[in-house]
Amino acid sequence: QQQVKQSPQSLIVQKGGIPIINCAYENTAFDYFPWYQQFPGKGPALLIAIRPDVSEKKEGRFTISFNKSAKQFSLHIMDSQPGDSATYFCAASRGSYNTDKLIFGTGTRLQVFP
Amino acid sequence: GAGVSQSPSNKVTEKGKDVELRCDPISGHTALYWYRQSLGQGLEFLIYFQGNSAPDKSGLPSDRFSAERTGGSVSTLTIQRTQQEDSAVYLCASSLDLYDHEQYFGPGTRLTVT
Repeated sequence: QQQVKQSPQSLIVQKGGIPIINCAYENTAFDYFPWYQQFPGKGPALLIAIRPDVSEKKEGRFTISFNKSAKQFSLHIMDSQPGDSATYFCAASRGSYNTDKLIFGTGTRLQVFP
Repeated sequence: GAGVSQSPSNKVTEKGKDVELRCDPISGHTALYWYRQSLGQGLEFLIYFQGNSAPDKSGLPSDRFSAERTGGSVSTLTIQRTQQEDSAVYLCASSLDLYDHEQYFGPGTRLTVT
């Protein structure tokens, strides 16, 4: 059972565009929602994360929007650059002591063309 | 400072052989996680350690998979009698402790079973 659904599978934008990647979760016990960026041949790198007590978080050109009632969250990349071309994964985890594993979405491959 | 390191970076093995994959977490990080990333897929949780104990082994796909951690640092993931479906990138992550949700990933070990 997939607990975190991510869309789209791939995304192509031009430089300066604002790609948006969406994720939806099912488990209301999730309380931590990170986004990871992965370049080919590298491990995922933490980009930005949000907890459900806020509806939006910005770090540089990256913004997470969070809708708790809809159980959805999304990543917006402002003024996208070719260097942002990578695969992006959303994830979710519970805050309890016994289960801190991350449940990942299936990833979105982003291509930013000059 | 030094990040999470994994070795080997690539491993090709014949079906039926045993393999060992190693992970060195960030110094001082007490929590350690193993994930598996199959081609074009998201990341699948395998097991995590808090110190030397493994409270959650629920992600291990079969009894051919095992992992241990000694001295609260280095971890080894062992796959016995490898099968072709074991081919994947095995990723290790660490975090300061189980209450710190920020997981930092290593570069992974690409395992190919022929």
